[in-house]
Amino acid sequence: TQLLEQSPQFLSIQEGENLTVYCNSSSVFSSLQWYRQEPGEGPVLLVTVVTGGEVKKLKRLTFQFGDARKDSSLHITAAQPGDTGLYLCAGDWGGGNKLTFGTGTQLKVEL
Amino acid sequence: GAVVSQHPSRVICKSGTSVKIECRSLDFQATTMFWYRQFPKQSLMLMATSNEGSKATYEQGVEKDKFLINHASLTLSTLTVTSAHPEDSSFYICSAASGTGSNTIYFGEGSWLTVV
Repeated sequence: TQLLEQSPQFLSIQEGENLTVYCNSSSVFSSLQWYRQEPGEGPVLLVTVVTGGEVKKLKRLTFQFGDARKDSSLHITAAQPGDTGLYLCAGDWGGGNKLTFGTGTQLKVEL
Repeated sequence: GAVVSQHPSRVICKSGTSVKIECRSLDFQATTMFWYRQFPKQSLMLMATSNEGSKATYEQGVEKDKFLINHASLTLSTLTVTSAHPEDSSFYICSAASGTGSNTIYFGEGSWLTVV
């Protein structure tokens, strides 16, 4: 079973602060995705990274894929209360759309 | 865009009964769908891979006789929780891929199951 560890598990910050969430595995990914999930809803895709060293930006969110394709990070700049949610990384090792999700990071951004 | 729909969104059943959850791809065909389970404040755990026209592939530790999966058409997969018990209460989510690439996965809205 492939394992994806995320850190931190919980994060509570003030509006305007920056934060970074990490996703690590001992195995190499074919691709890695980041999702955000609200309570009682399905996860919503934020980004997919495929190439080692790849950096993608989505407004205030910056995603980086490790050179060896074993790890990834999500950096949020100037966090807002609307960023509150469960952030999940998910790895695809075999390229067959079968995702293994990370342990999750619960983010709370307060005013 | 592509949409995956689940039904029901919420269901309460009595202990010992069976309950069926549907996962539909609304505007694309999906030869493969995936079923996940999520407990409160935890991540998604893959339960099984649903293959159209063939048996589902279950992850280690998931009882195939308890969680029956049927993928009878290219747009519908069903998960039946048989002889449900309170510990089966969870959020069940399906996903489907509209293409062969790993960046074309769509998730359903999820189904809350409460067993009383």
